[in-house]
Amino acid sequence: ELKVEQNPLFLSMQEGKNYTIYCNYSTTSDRLYWYRQDPGKSLESLFVLLSNGAVKQEGRLMASLDTKARLSTLHITAAVHDLSATYFCAVTTDSWGKLQFGAGTQVVVTP
Amino acid sequence: DAGITQSPRHKVTETGTPVTLRCHQTENHRYMYWYRQDPGHGLRLIHYSYGVKDTDKGEVSDGYSVSRSKTEDFLLTLESATSSQTSVYFCAIREGQGYEQYFGPGTRLTVT
Repeated sequence: ELKVEQNPLFLSMQEGKNYTIYCNYSTTSDRLYWYRQDPGKSLESLFVLLSNGAVKQEGRLMASLDTKARLSTLHITAAVHDLSATYFCAVTTDSWGKLQFGAGTQVVVTP
Repeated sequence: DAGITQSPRHKVTETGTPVTLRCHQTENHRYMYWYRQDPGHGLRLIHYSYGVKDTDKGEVSDGYSVSRSKTEDFLLTLESATSSQTSVYFCAIREGQGYEQYFGPGTRLTVT
């Protein structure tokens, strides 16, 4: 059974500092997703990581994938208030695209 | 927004009544999914579809059925709603070579 674990589940950030969210998964996968969700809203796709060593960056967010370690990281550089949200990672292990989600990391950025 | 709409957006219903949620997409995507979101659980897959009349169960399918008679519509039915089915329901489609999944706006369902 595929399990996806995120940590931390809650992250209080100070503006201007750097932080990392970790996503571990239990079985082989070649596709990992990061999503952002604002309160009361739907999920917004941030990144899709398709292969070992993949790195993607958008603004202050950078995601990487290590398939051998079964680990993805979402790195936040110089946090700003607008990044306050809940971040989910999700993994799929089959061609049907069935996603297994982590529990989410709630990020709060304060001055 | 990948052309996904869900209806209704909010619904309150009583225990034991049947409920149908609709997901509509306008871009002819083959794969569609229903997830539910509950605090502390992330999202969990209920059912998915890989074409018209082709559907299969996900992780938490008990108490739910689906139908897809047209490419654009994927219906989720709660046969007899229970309080444990109070949740936010999201529909998703899959597109692109990276198999990106895009989510609809969600339906908040409360079963009293």
